[in-house]
Amino acid sequence: GENVEQHPSTLSVQEGDSAVIKCTYSDSASNYFPWYKQELGKRPQLIIDIRSNVGEKKDQRIAVTLNKTAKHFSLHITETQPEDSAVYFCAAPGGGGNKLTFGTGTQLKVEL
Amino acid sequence: DVKVTQSSRYLVKRTGEKVFLECVQDMDHENMFWYRQDPGLGLRLIYFSYDVKMKEKGDIPEGYSVSREKKERFSLILESASTNQTSMYLCASSLWSGTGGVGYTFGSGTRLTVV
Repeated sequence: GENVEQHPSTLSVQEGDSAVIKCTYSDSASNYFPWYKQELGKRPQLIIDIRSNVGEKKDQRIAVTLNKTAKHFSLHITETQPEDSAVYFCAAPGGGGNKLTFGTGTQLKVEL
Repeated sequence: DVKVTQSSRYLVKRTGEKVFLECVQDMDHENMFWYRQDPGLGLRLIYFSYDVKMKEKGDIPEGYSVSREKKERFSLILESASTNQTSMYLCASSLWSGTGGVGYTFGSGTRLTVV
């Protein structure tokens, strides 16, 4: 099955700086890569996703990049704000299935 | 407009009890999933279902079973609760896709404590 590794486990940045979270996956057949944000005490929510036919996708201050050859994808947050503080999870489906395997999460703290 | 509803936010059960966690979605999704979330371990898949009466084991099914009698409802059952099943349980649903993964909608979670 799919194996997803996520780094770093914690990340602290100053407000206004950029944050980057990286994930690697094992199944070369994976074709969909979502990112979820989980604020304290709340449910994980999908913030951005990318399919394997594109290399980059942006939505305002967040972007995701995909390198299929190296089997890794990254979340980029620019101009970070305190409300970006949360746990972020990456995921990948493995080949042929709809179930997602998640990374272990990154606790992002944006300091004033 | 809550779309995936888990019946309990917090539960405290005794060791050996049979525990039912309920999840209902109103989006007519084919797929439903049960994960548990533990610090440092992320979200781990317990069981999933792509259709009514259908179930498949995830990565950590031991000690759990599931039931899907109706499309909108997916129940997780702890046959005999143990303290190592103390965790946050998250239900999720998604549309079926024949071409690979799709995004989930999660419920708010059930914090289960087994004493």
